[in-house]
Amino acid sequence: AQKITQTQPGMFVQEKEAVTLDCTYDTSDQSYGLFWYKQPSSGEMIFLIYQGSYDEQNATEGRYSLNFQKARKSANLVISASQLGDSAMYFCAMRDSSYKLIFGSGTRLLVRP
Amino acid sequence: DAGVIQSPRHEVTEMGQEVTLRCKPISGHNSLFWYRQTMMRGLELLIYFNNNVPIDDSGMPEDRFSAKMPNASFSTLKIQPSEPRDSAVYFCASSPQVGPKGGYTFGSGTRLTVV
Repeated sequence: AQKITQTQPGMFVQEKEAVTLDCTYDTSDQSYGLFWYKQPSSGEMIFLIYQGSYDEQNATEGRYSLNFQKARKSANLVISASQLGDSAMYFCAMRDSSYKLIFGSGTRLLVRP
Repeated sequence: DAGVIQSPRHEVTEMGQEVTLRCKPISGHNSLFWYRQTMMRGLELLIYFNNNVPIDDSGMPEDRFSAKMPNASFSTLKIQPSEPRDSAVYFCASSPQVGPKGGYTFGSGTRLTVV
C-alpha cells in the first residue's frame, strides 16, 4: 500500500535561514509523483513543488527545492531564506500510477523573526 | 480560470440532517477528488473520479456518505444522516491527469459543523 510519512509534527526556523522538512514514502509503483503543498492558516492548499520518479535532477521552484533520494524513498523539502510568511502547515503527497493523491500528516513550520 | 469552486464555504447543521457539498472542477480536468481534513486524521482521500466514473471509494467512511459526478463540471458529496463526528473541512480537487505533474488544484474547502 502507498504511504507517506512526515515525522516532524512541528519545526521552528529563524527568519532568513534554511529549513528542511522531511518526507519518506512507500510504494511498489515504478512511476509516481511527489508533491509538496503549503496550507496557511487561511486553509487553502497551495501547490509548491513536484518531483517525478523518473526525474534525475532535483526539482526547484524559487526558494523551494526538493531533495529527492530515490533509493532511500525520501523527498525532503528545503526552504531557503525563510520568511515570516512561510509559517504554515506543509504536506508531502504522492501520486501513484492510478493518479490517486495521498498525503502525509503534515509539518507545522513556524518562522521566528 | 476560476479554479475549483466549492459551495457552501461554511455549513452548520443539526445531527441527523442531510448535508450536500458541491464542487465544480476546472474545465478540462478529467479527475476529481474529495478529501476530508480533521485534526485527528489529517487529509483523507474519500473518493475520486476519472471521466465522471468513481474509481476508488475505499476512503468513504460509511454508507452515510455518497458521492456523485453526473457530468464533467459538477460533483456532490452527500452525508445522510449527518453526525457530529462528520465535522471537518471537506476539500474538492481536480486534475487534468495527463502530463507528469497532474496539476492537482484544490478548492477553498467547505467547513462543515454538525451540532
